[in-house]
Amino acid sequence: DGGITQSPKYLFRKEGQNVTLSCEQNLNHDAMYWYRQDPGQGLRLIYYSQIVNDFQKGDIAEGYSVSREKKESFPLTVTSAQKNPTAFYLCASSIGAFGQGAGELFFGEGSRLTVL
Amino acid sequence: AQTVTQSQPEMSVQEAETVTLSCTYDTSESDYYLFWYKQPPSRQMILVIRQEAYKQQNATENRFSVNFQKAAKSFSLKISDSQLGDAAMYFCAYRSAGNSGYALNFGKGTSLLVTP
Repeated sequence: DGGITQSPKYLFRKEGQNVTLSCEQNLNHDAMYWYRQDPGQGLRLIYYSQIVNDFQKGDIAEGYSVSREKKESFPLTVTSAQKNPTAFYLCASSIGAFGQGAGELFFGEGSRLTVL
Repeated sequence: AQTVTQSQPEMSVQEAETVTLSCTYDTSESDYYLFWYKQPPSRQMILVIRQEAYKQQNATENRFSVNFQKAAKSFSLKISDSQLGDAAMYFCAYRSAGNSGYALNFGKGTSLLVTP
């Protein structure tokens, strides 16, 4: 079945360590996104990518990095510079890019990161 | 960035009754898209309904309908004949129709409780 796969589902990290969250999609979507969800905060955009080898910062990009070497993959690295990384992270994708249509976002099941 | 406000952190409805969730947004754009997403306890985000700002007719999807008031910048969601499976967090989201990809701005969410 087509969809978005995020891994791992749960991740524990010690302070000072970098960690990478995986996001893979087989929907042939051009655009991919990373959101962070905290209780009472809704979803906040970290990074997004409209095409391979290109990505833009969202509202809360500090302390995070991404890459988009393949259309199917958009990994997110939470670096030690992120002061409060404990959160639920959601990856999403959508058809098209550069303003084509009204693309619905398809979401993965999320990754829960806890810093010990 | 456009701001999306959901003024009701929690709502409660009895099974088979109707409930309306509120959403307002702030924008200077004339063309945009609005969405309601549902996040059940599994935390999988699911699109409930979508509205294009240029369309005057309110969107409807089975038991879900919206009241889109463009001048008032209001986009409420009505759930008719509520079912236990409707219990979830509901997020209102805004997307520009401009040339900036499909990143959505989300509200902070409304938690809907459905009682038997």
